[in-house]
Amino acid sequence: AQTVTQSQPEMSVQEAETVTLSCTYDTSESDYYLFWYKQPPSRQMILVIRQEAYKQQNATENRFSVNFQKAAKSFSLKISDSQLGDAAMYFCAYRSPEGGSEKLVFGKGTKLTVNP
Amino acid sequence: ETGVTQSPTHLIKTRGQQVTLRCSSQSGHNTVSWYQQALGQGPQFIFHYYREEENGRGNFPPRFSGLQFPNYSSELNVNALELDDSALYLCASSFRRGPSDEQYFGPGTRLTVT
Repeated sequence: AQTVTQSQPEMSVQEAETVTLSCTYDTSESDYYLFWYKQPPSRQMILVIRQEAYKQQNATENRFSVNFQKAAKSFSLKISDSQLGDAAMYFCAYRSPEGGSEKLVFGKGTKLTVNP
Repeated sequence: ETGVTQSPTHLIKTRGQQVTLRCSSQSGHNTVSWYQQALGQGPQFIFHYYREEENGRGNFPPRFSGLQFPNYSSELNVNALELDDSALYLCASSFRRGPSDEQYFGPGTRLTVT
């Protein structure tokens, strides 16, 4: 079974600075999908960024980028120019390419605080 | 475009009772998944439905059951409630195209079992 580990329960960053959130995962599959989700205090979870394992190029979405290291099974999220609205729980998630599988396997999350 | 909605927002039940939680999928979506998020934990996959049939299940006992309706709204039913069932229950919908599909989450229902 796949597992996802987020080793940083809490992180803090100064507004306008850069922060990196860590995620490692365990799988025997060679193809899969990885996601970072953000859950603000209002609770509605939203997708931040996704990465297909077969793509070597790291995904980027505006101020958000990932460092995907397939051999190390590492998938970290970098947030540049941090804003107060970035404060939230961040969850790393894994999804198998198995046909019809909608299952996301989540880590325990990292609580990000942004200090003004 | 209407997002994913869930009702009720909060619910308090007594151990041994039964509960039904409801989810209205985003317009045009044909799959719905349910997750249980205990306090301080990441969401755990309960099951998902595609075109009204259960299409995958996580490690949850049979007293957790669901339904998906033709209009793609859905229900999560939990029988014989236990204290450990206290959690935030999230539903997520998507339109099935492939495994990189974005799942759109609702705000959740906070269930407290006393």
